[in-house]
Amino acid sequence: GESVGLHLPTLSVQEGDNSIINCAYSNSASDYFIWYKQESGKGPQFIIDIRSNMDKRQGQRVTVLLNKTVKHLSLQIAATQPGDSAVYFCAETNTGGFKTIFGAGTRLFVKA
Amino acid sequence: EAGVAQSPRYKIIEKRQSVAFWCNPISGHATLYWYQQILGQGPKLLIQFQNNGVVDDSQLPKDRFSAERLKGVDSTLKIQPAKLEDSAVYLCASSRRQGLNTEAFFGQGTRLTVV
Repeated sequence: GESVGLHLPTLSVQEGDNSIINCAYSNSASDYFIWYKQESGKGPQFIIDIRSNMDKRQGQRVTVLLNKTVKHLSLQIAATQPGDSAVYFCAETNTGGFKTIFGAGTRLFVKA
Repeated sequence: EAGVAQSPRYKIIEKRQSVAFWCNPISGHATLYWYQQILGQGPKLLIQFQNNGVVDDSQLPKDRFSAERLKGVDSTLKIQPAKLEDSAVYLCASSRRQGLNTEAFFGQGTRLTVV
């Protein structure tokens, strides 16, 4: 079936370095994408979103890139901090059907 | 603004027993979601409500799972009878509306263990 997947299940980075988390999606009809951060024992928390008519969107220390040609999404975190340690999920939505599909997640470890 | 409230936080039951989870969404949020998150996986949508109507329940195992949102505010999710594979965290989320720019706010979840 259609699904959202991630290339790297775990990522370990040094504090202060930049992090890049990748995601591949398979539903070409998806037109809205969200990155969520989930800390242990908590529900997912919205980080940043992007519509399919955009290639790039920036937030505070985070940037999302969307490549519709290869159906690839990435989350870039600048100057990674220990507080960024969490599991990151990409999610795709077909706003016509209003169904959001989550990927399996990438665990980010930040080494001090 | 108060967040999405869920109860209980933890529940342990034996297989074949029944269990119910409760969710109170953020005030004014029309859309409510129930997700199942198995350890090591992303959340899987079980059911989505728009006000008190069901928008999507295609992945809800209807032979044992049921959910309602009678007054378009609070919601309950019930499992009867529970199976071992139902062990997971059940997340409730709400958003102002469905579609674009509809950031979903999640509760802390209910961790269910079926033994």
